[in-house]
Amino acid sequence: DTGVSQNPRHKITKRGQNVTFRCDPISEHNRLYWYRQTLGQGPEFLTYFQNEAQLEKSRLLSDRFSAERPKGSFSTLEIQRTEQGDSAMYLCASSLTRGGSYEQYFGPGTRLTVT
Amino acid sequence: GENVEQHPSTLSVQEGDSAVIKCTYSDSASNYFPWYKQELGKGPQLIIDIRSNVGEKKDQRIAVTLNKTAKHFSLHITETQPEDSAVYFCAASTRGGDTGRRALTFGSGTRLQVQP
Repeated sequence: DTGVSQNPRHKITKRGQNVTFRCDPISEHNRLYWYRQTLGQGPEFLTYFQNEAQLEKSRLLSDRFSAERPKGSFSTLEIQRTEQGDSAMYLCASSLTRGGSYEQYFGPGTRLTVT
Repeated sequence: GENVEQHPSTLSVQEGDSAVIKCTYSDSASNYFPWYKQELGKGPQLIIDIRSNVGEKKDQRIAVTLNKTAKHFSLHITETQPEDSAVYFCAASTRGGDTGRRALTFGSGTRLQVQP
């Protein structure tokens, strides 16, 4: 167990509904990343935070997506007006940049199904 | 941006045999190369990584080699066991953009099946 937790593990929603996912990183990890993984593919970068600041967003992150990390601890990823193309596994990873560490540790993911 | 290609997409070996998975990357600035193992329904698990100042790294039955000139790196698993069966992903990372992010660019994965 890497220590990164994500909730919920599974979410089924109807097209057009809003959904929110939560990620709790490893304690004291200052960087938090969100990735999306579709079936048969590797994870793709969506956005990342250093402490509470969202420093970069991928072009994959449309304006229907928003992420927050209040107080630099847990993070939430919200998708508004979901579309069937949003169906995927949403993965969160955390890392500690002090000491030149690069390792990213992933959570179990939230599998989203949009019907 | 970075592009990582991974081969083969599937690999079947007999228990006890060795398995090799190869990846190539495009961005010469990439300097960190982790490997992840992903089992069904779980998130990727970091199993080994290598930085660009090292050519080879070994951890028990797992080893990774890096050829910076050719921009490719490989995962070697010796004495494979049925519990090694999973999907393996290579990735590459660089200190990129104005923010210094180290987002990972992943390969498309290799499904390894170890036959008992």
